[in-house]
Amino acid sequence: DTEVTQTPKHLVMGMTNKKSLKCEQHMGHRAMYWYKQKAKKPPELMFVYSYEKLSINESVPSRFSPECPNSSLLNLHLHALQPEDSALYLCASSQDGRLGQPQHFGDGTRLSIL
Amino acid sequence: AQSVTQLGSHVSVSEGALVLLRCNYSSSVPPYLFWYVQYPNQGLQLLLKYTTGATLVKGINGFEAEFKKSETSFHLTKPSAHMSDAAEYFCAVSYNTNAGKSTFGDGTTLTVKP
Repeated sequence: DTEVTQTPKHLVMGMTNKKSLKCEQHMGHRAMYWYKQKAKKPPELMFVYSYEKLSINESVPSRFSPECPNSSLLNLHLHALQPEDSALYLCASSQDGRLGQPQHFGDGTRLSIL
Repeated sequence: AQSVTQLGSHVSVSEGALVLLRCNYSSSVPPYLFWYVQYPNQGLQLLLKYTTGATLVKGINGFEAEFKKSETSFHLTKPSAHMSDAAEYFCAVSYNTNAGKSTFGDGTTLTVKP
């Protein structure tokens, strides 16, 4: 059982739709991450939140908008996505983002853009 | 630039045989090293990590890895492969000079033959 829960597991959306991905953890972790993973590739970091503040944005297009409402929740708002955005989106958390801490991953949301 | 390289994108072993997955890093500062496993349709799961101290690290599911500074390597081994070990394996590294972000290798697909 994963301790990081992501919903939905699958999402199909058109390029004009607005949708949101949700991530939740109850381990008391204060750092949370969004990754994008294409098939047979490693995860690519998108965003990092530390103590509910955005600390890293890896030059992600503005059609992806992260939100961290509280220490347990992380959202990724999607708008006007492109077909190349189809991928597995992984959420992860770590104790407080300091060096040497492993990340705990959810099982991801598989996103398909029509 | 600091990086991590996994030699061999595909490794195939027979059940009961030794598993050896290779990981080399390039760094001018001490690294923090991780091995993650990803089963189909799942997120990444931490197998083991090296931060400081003992260079031989034991992880879950019978895996272990040895940090060799002189060879800049952190190879993953398991004495006897099980069918359930078939998965994608990622080596990851973080440094105190890159804001603590983890850099992932390209991954190695492990196939276990009966």
